[in-house]
Amino acid sequence: AQSVTQPDIHITVSEGASLELRCNYSYGATPYLFWYVQSPGQGLQLLLKYFSGDTLVQGIKGFEAEFKRSQSSFNLRKPSVHWSDAAEYFCAVGAQDYGQNFVFGPGTRLSVLP
Amino acid sequence: GAGVSQTPSNKVTEKGKYVELRCDPISGHTALYWYRQSLGQGPEFLIYFQGTGAADDSGLPNDRFFAVRPEGSVSTLKIQRTERGDSAVYLCASSLDSGANVLTFGAGSRLTVL
Repeated sequence: AQSVTQPDIHITVSEGASLELRCNYSYGATPYLFWYVQSPGQGLQLLLKYFSGDTLVQGIKGFEAEFKRSQSSFNLRKPSVHWSDAAEYFCAVGAQDYGQNFVFGPGTRLSVLP
Repeated sequence: GAGVSQTPSNKVTEKGKYVELRCDPISGHTALYWYRQSLGQGPEFLIYFQGTGAADDSGLPNDRFFAVRPEGSVSTLKIQRTERGDSAVYLCASSLDSGANVLTFGAGSRLTVL
């Protein structure tokens, strides 16, 4: 079964600083990888996804993520954080026939200092 | 509809009562998923439908939980004899079909059991 770890429970960065949120997964084959963002009281919004091909994927709101098979990682990055990026970020892993094989990490809460 | 719609957005009930949560997926999406998100945690898989049938219900915690999707569109999650530990946000998502697709989430139904 798949599993996802997000080592950082809470990260604080200053507005304008760069950001990297870590995600590591456990799965025997190439998984489908996702990052979702959840603002307070809101549903989960997809930031970006990786299915195959180029390992550096671009998403919405200026986010990008890189799939590194050798490290079983899919870290999320943004070069310059905006105050509106403050939210909870979830990495997710999917495999064939989603269902129980679509698993979320515990999340990383991002705070942005003015 | 344009997005995944969940009702009610908030439900407060007493221990031992019966609760129904409704999900209206995106039109044309054949796959529908229910997740439960407890405070400070990532979403946990409950059940997934492909069409009218439950393709994977391995995430349902016990037999007090049941879900239906009789016409392959709207789904209802039913919880009998609610317990305080059932308090959580229940998220519904839909996708075009299972596997290699993006899950689009609703805003969730917050259940509070007193």
